[in-house]
Amino acid sequence: DVKVTQSSRYLVKRTGEKVFLECVQDMDHENMFWYRQDPGLGLRLIYFSYDVKMKEKGDIPEGYSVSREKKERFSLILESASTNQTSMYLCASSQTLGLENTIYFGEGSWLTVV
Amino acid sequence: AQSVTQLDSHVSVSEGTPVLLRCNYSSSYSPSLFWYVQHPNKGLQLLLKYTSAATLVKGINGFEAEFKKSETSFHLTKPSAHMSDAAEYFCVVSYTGGFKTIFGAGTRLFVKA
Repeated sequence: DVKVTQSSRYLVKRTGEKVFLECVQDMDHENMFWYRQDPGLGLRLIYFSYDVKMKEKGDIPEGYSVSREKKERFSLILESASTNQTSMYLCASSQTLGLENTIYFGEGSWLTVV
Repeated sequence: AQSVTQLDSHVSVSEGTPVLLRCNYSSSYSPSLFWYVQHPNKGLQLLLKYTSAATLVKGINGFEAEFKKSETSFHLTKPSAHMSDAAEYFCVVSYTGGFKTIFGAGTRLFVKA
């Protein structure tokens, strides 16, 4: 079975703290993604990566950075957390192989910044 | 421009009655189309996908969807709703190997006993 694991499900952080959200996939997928999901705004792409050490900005990269040192792991970093980054964060992965491009999601990480 | 429109933000049905969740897309290309379900405080789970094979796609939990190119639609149906189907459903269109993915706004399905 496909598995995308987000290690932290619920976090509470203080304004200005550095926050790491970790994501691991066990499917040897090339592509990994970070989204945030907010009521009324839907899912918005923050960053994605199509290979180790490669990253591309999504629609809302401001205030975030990412790291992909290993193929299976994609980390989202909030350098200095702010209250407007309180949200549900979803990690996802996919394989590009012919017509196969299904995106698989993790369970989500709820981040509250106080 | 590519877009996805879920025509209903909320749908309410009684248990045991059919479910219809509507999705239209616009595309200059042949897209891959997906339906995902999200239960409260959970991630998105794949229900089914269309990738230019059969136009009627069967998914998990009794759901199916029909790709109609002439109508640019990909509506999700289920013959008989169950209480556990209450969730939010997303229609998703993907292009160019998944790098360009557009999510619908979501349809919240309520199931009444």
